[in-house]
Amino acid sequence: SQTIHQWPATLVQPVGSPLSLECTVEGTSNPNLYWYRQAAGRGLQLLFYSVGIGQISSEVPQNLSASRPQDRQFILSSKKLLLSDSGFYLCASRGALSTPLHEQYFGPGTRLTVT
Amino acid sequence: AQSVTQLDSHVSVSEGTPVLLRCNYSSSYSPSLFWYVQHPNKGLQLLLKYTSAATLVKGINGFEAEFKKSETSFHLTKPSAHMSDAAEYFCVVSDYPFSSNTGKLIFGQGTTLQVKP
Repeated sequence: SQTIHQWPATLVQPVGSPLSLECTVEGTSNPNLYWYRQAAGRGLQLLFYSVGIGQISSEVPQNLSASRPQDRQFILSSKKLLLSDSGFYLCASRGALSTPLHEQYFGPGTRLTVT
Repeated sequence: AQSVTQLDSHVSVSEGTPVLLRCNYSSSYSPSLFWYVQHPNKGLQLLLKYTSAATLVKGINGFEAEFKKSETSFHLTKPSAHMSDAAEYFCVVSDYPFSSNTGKLIFGQGTTLQVKP
């Protein structure tokens, strides 16, 4: 079975500071990877997805960017954080090739507070 | 476009009583539907999924959901609530097959389930 790691678990950053959140996946190869954000009192919003190394698709215009330098590594970044970037960030991975494309597994999340 | 609406933002039940979390979906094709659970400050766990097989789907921890095409609903139920069921529940629809390589999920707003002793 696959395992998704995210770090840090919690983060408090001032407005205007940079951001780097990391996600790594074990137990599968060539996964589709996803970044979601959950704002307080709201559902999850898909931010980025990647179908392979160096391939990033953005779902919503925003202050964030994503990169995939390795097959099982997915990074979420920002050059200058905004207050509205606060939220709970979840990384997800599509299952193994034998798993339906739409079945995703989620990491434990990173709670980001921008002050 | 696909969408999903969770009809209750908050549901409160007593331990041992039935649970009903309501979800309606909108899709122009036969959808794939899921229920996920999120305990406080935790990631999401898949409870159950419907992918055009049996319309009554059984999941983990005694939960089940019934796909009703005529009502465009996918309500989540459990006969007897347990204290450990207190969590946030998300109804989710997949964009498959329109974007078959991306597997994007569209989430409802979530329902907070409170279980009282």
